[in-house]
Amino acid sequence: EVHLLESGGGLVRPGGSLRVSCAASGFTFTTNAMGWVRQAPGKGLEWVSVISETGVTTHYADSVKGRFTVSKDTSKNTLYLQMNSLRAEDTALYYCAKYIWEPDRAFDFWGQGTMVTVSS
Amino acid sequence: DIQMTQSPSSLSASVGDRVTITCRASQSISTYLNWYQQKPGKAPKLLIYAASSLQGGVPSRFSGSGSGAHFTLTISSLQPEDFATYYCQQSHSNPLTFGGGTKVEIK
Repeated sequence: EVHLLESGGGLVRPGGSLRVSCAASGFTFTTNAMGWVRQAPGKGLEWVSVISETGVTTHYADSVKGRFTVSKDTSKNTLYLQMNSLRAEDTALYYCAKYIWEPDRAFDFWGQGTMVTVSS
Repeated sequence: DIQMTQSPSSLSASVGDRVTITCRASQSISTYLNWYQQKPGKAPKLLIYAASSLQGGVPSRFSGSGSGAHFTLTISSLQPEDFATYYCQQSHSNPLTFGGGTKVEIK
């Protein structure tokens, strides 16, 4: 059974940094792409980033490009999102999700999310 | 960026009703269209991928259709557990984008 468990969320001041993690189990992490999707309180879903199965290819939403970095540690079966220069508008519940890169290009399993609040 | 527009933004329906939700893309996306269901306080769940393929474990009352820029999600007979918010998402090109959501409420 696929299981994704996010952690590392919290309260951070504007301009600060935070790294959230996603521990994966129940599937072969090394041969699957992964991604992050966020949801601001009371709002819809917003794609943040995806990373290929090898970690070589990454893509980011324009709103986070240059500030956020996604990575995979295959030895720990863990996905990371390093978030720098955080802004109030980054406040959201951050979901990690397994991503079928080809051919279907869909997020087929999701974690329960970790909340990031950016406020002074 | 490809804009995804869902309609309606909300609807009220009764158990047993047939419900249709529409999603339009701002340009052709072939069949790179996915549908997700999200219940309050829960993570989204993939229902339909590639416009019309049913994800494993999803009841057959859910179906998707369309190609190009016009897509629909249909629930053939609404069940109590189907009251939720539904999102479409295009995966034709980056940035991946979601529709604004359709909240299905009990009439």
